Amino acid sequence: DIQMTQSPSSLSASVGDRVTITCRASQSISSYLNWYQQRPGKAPKLLIYAASSLQSGVPSRFSGSGSGTDFTLTISSLQPEDFATYYCQQSYITPRTFGQGTKLEIK
Amino acid sequence: EVQLVESGGGLVQPGGSLRLSCAASGFTFSSYWMHWVRQAPGKGLVWVSRINSDGSSTTYADSVKGRFTISRDNAKNTLYLQMNSLRAEDTAVYYCTRDRGASYYDFDYWGQGTLVTVSS
Repeated sequence: DIQMTQSPSSLSASVGDRVTITCRASQSISSYLNWYQQRPGKAPKLLIYAASSLQSGVPSRFSGSGSGTDFTLTISSLQPEDFATYYCQQSYITPRTFGQGTKLEIK
Repeated sequence: EVQLVESGGGLVQPGGSLRLSCAASGFTFSSYWMHWVRQAPGKGLVWVSRINSDGSSTTYADSVKGRFTISRDNAKNTLYLQMNSLRAEDTAVYYCTRDRGASYYDFDYWGQGTLVTVSS
């Protein structure tokens, strides 16, 4: 199975900050990397697919980059509703493994 | 509007069985692969199982292989997860998700989840 490792596991930031979360795959996954946001008590929501494509309806302050084994999710200017947990996921092969999550908290 | 609505969760004793359902609407259900993903309380997301569009091919996580069975009824637009020999570690919220396919294979829609609690 492909292992997905996110860093950091948690992050404190302020409204308006620029934030970057990284995700590393244990082997090359080309651009088959997705990012999800999960607010407390809610289902995950797709933000970014194919490493850098913005899902319809997602604000443009979210962006993704990377290919191969190293990927990043960047939020350009944090808004109050962005404080949540973020997960990366590889869709290169089954099982479609997720990272352990990054909890973004208000400083 | 795409909707996925899970049902069937609840409290079950260890060794027991439960069948989850996921009612799909707002899209051509029979054209999409579907998955189940679970999340134990306070933990991360874990992929459980997937089924192809016509139900002829299925795959499972090692942790549930031989105990869980994924299936679908395309006439009823419904996805199922039959869970047998349940263990305490199967306690989780179970989400059904749609696989976008089309070369991307992300999970573009998720249900609200249904909670399964395995406890005596």
